[in-house]
Amino acid sequence: DAKTTQPTSMDCAEGRAANLPCNHSTISGNEYVYWYRQIHSQGPQYIIHGLKNNETNEMASLIITEDRKSSTLILPHATLRDTAVYYCIVSVWAGTASKLTFGTGTRLQVTL
Amino acid sequence: EPEVTQTPSHQVTQMGQEVILRCVPISNHLYFYWYRQILGQKVEFLVSFYNNEISEKSEIFDDQFSVERPDGSNFTLKIRSTKLEDSAMYFCASSDLSWGPTNNEQFFGPGTRLTVL
Repeated sequence: DAKTTQPTSMDCAEGRAANLPCNHSTISGNEYVYWYRQIHSQGPQYIIHGLKNNETNEMASLIITEDRKSSTLILPHATLRDTAVYYCIVSVWAGTASKLTFGTGTRLQVTL
Repeated sequence: EPEVTQTPSHQVTQMGQEVILRCVPISNHLYFYWYRQILGQKVEFLVSFYNNEISEKSEIFDDQFSVERPDGSNFTLKIRSTKLEDSAMYFCASSDLSWGPTNNEQFFGPGTRLTVL
């Protein structure tokens, strides 16, 4: 699986958009970009995924650059409950169970 | 909303003892996983399981570890002889890939904190 690079930490004011970048310059054509988050010591939680196109769901939007070498997770209106570590993961589906390889992620602190 | 459950939430054991961590995956899921997270460190993959056999395992998952799906609902991780360095949070996850490769969403349980003394 391709390696990802994320900033160690970011701050965001409550109510503002949080834009979390991820670099995955060695991504291959069949690898998807996944975003998970981990609130305190809870189990990681899936947020969104994409291959080439931008994606949006009720939690967030995912913007993938045309060359697929980087992406941005957007939380449109961050709240205090969005304070967490956010992981950008690149993974290929191998036709069976696919492991997730977690990095150190970005620690997002949402403040009043 | 369906969820993955894990028991116990906290397990304390003596070094050298056997422990079994239990998980109940989401009922229609077919793929099961164990991960662990040592305090302050990354979440690490241990093993994946499908169709009653191991699909993949990491270097961490040595002969001291085993997994089993003893019935239609439980998925267990056994550590035969615990070491101090096995102290960690252990997360179970499950996923349903029956509809193709476009989604590898894994649903994680709340974790079991294992403390080895």
